[in-house]
Amino acid sequence: KAGVTQTPRYLIKTRGQQVTLSCSPISGHRSVSWYQQTPGQGLQFLFEYFSETQRNKGNFPGRFSGRQFSNSRSEMNVSTLELGDSALYLCASSLGGVEETQYFGPGTRLLVL
Amino acid sequence: DAKTTQPPSMDCAEGRAANLPCNHSTISGNEYVYWYRQIHSQGPQYIIHGLKNNETNEMASLIITEDRKSSTLILPHATLRDTAVYYCIEGNTPLVFGKGTRLSVIA
Repeated sequence: KAGVTQTPRYLIKTRGQQVTLSCSPISGHRSVSWYQQTPGQGLQFLFEYFSETQRNKGNFPGRFSGRQFSNSRSEMNVSTLELGDSALYLCASSLGGVEETQYFGPGTRLLVL
Repeated sequence: DAKTTQPPSMDCAEGRAANLPCNHSTISGNEYVYWYRQIHSQGPQYIIHGLKNNETNEMASLIITEDRKSSTLILPHATLRDTAVYYCIEGNTPLVFGKGTRLSVIA
């Protein structure tokens, strides 16, 4: 079974631009969660989508948003990019039940100049 | 904030067992303990999880104390490819990562 895939793998943007990242979960998985990893803050939870609905949300500003499609693929969008948004963005998928194991993709590395 | 406590770093000789401790004294009765590892700049890799019984899979063993306040991840025969940051996490909705333990396996 194919793992979680994320596109693009690398991205360079400038301040003020917006960016959209994509995540394709493992086949049959209905939950997709997004995480941000920076050297200063470590791995932090952004949000989780399950059956096209946001089920859980971390403590990030409204510039960070996401959505999930009927095939469980998910996108996250960051508007008005700031230098501090430079990070590794990771998505993880699971079947969606409580205590179902999450499996991570390779991440998208975003650099904001 | 992360609710688990792990040593920041550990070394292990190649071929020896690596024992990584974790304190999770605030874990609730129905929360599992999860272990992930992250090799440099890759996505975290799931290793194992458990509730109160010891668990073993092809990657590792997990020993959970009877009071569930701490656990130990055991890599029975560490190799250089096991060099990574290891995270111990209470529950998974969502996963709350701490700083983990940086394990260095030395030839």
